[in-house]
Amino acid sequence: EAQVTQNPRYLITVTGKKLTVTCSQNMNHEYMSWYRQDPGLGLRQIYYSMNVEVTDKGDVPEGYKVSRKEKRNFPLILESPSPNQTSLYFCASSPRRVDRGRSNEQFFGPGTRLTVL
Amino acid sequence: KNEVEQSPQNLTAQEGEFITINCSYSVGISALHWLQQHPGGGIVSLFMLSSGKKKHGRLIATINIQEKHSSLHITASHPRDSAVYICAVRDYGGSQGNLIFGKGTKLSVKP
Repeated sequence: EAQVTQNPRYLITVTGKKLTVTCSQNMNHEYMSWYRQDPGLGLRQIYYSMNVEVTDKGDVPEGYKVSRKEKRNFPLILESPSPNQTSLYFCASSPRRVDRGRSNEQFFGPGTRLTVL
Repeated sequence: KNEVEQSPQNLTAQEGEFITINCSYSVGISALHWLQQHPGGGIVSLFMLSSGKKKHGRLIATINIQEKHSSLHITASHPRDSAVYICAVRDYGGSQGNLIFGKGTKLSVKP
């Protein structure tokens, strides 16, 4: 089954304790992206990757790191989490050549609800 | 930077009604996406548009590039259509990977 998986689904942690949220897709997609969703602000892009070893900042990259060493995986790293990073996080993937006639549907993971105390 | 506005923010309809959700953006784009977020939180991609119109079942999406406006229509609405509908755009001149989102329209369809 074609899917994007995220782990963990729920996480409560404390300020400053490094954490990683994993994201994996089995569709051989080049493009992967991380978003956060907050009440009143909607979805905002954190980082994205157009292919292996290629990453770029979205609108709210501060306090986050990413890496893309393999095509299927795109982990989100919070080196020193703070309470303002409490949010619902989504990972998504799609074929790279979005908007050029190919199937460009984005597949979203189920979300990770993070609470930083 | 593109500004994406959706209207209405909230919409309540009776089952069977025709529904329209609007999305406007401020700067030329290469593509516009419509997403659906279920009450449980999961997000599904509905359409990607760069011009014209697309239809899938009871859902129709249109885009007017000159007016910088897109609409999502739901015909013969049903309670299972209750969800948040989100518009997102890719800037024409910006990075192909950067998406800007509207704040969403919460739709509730009553039986």
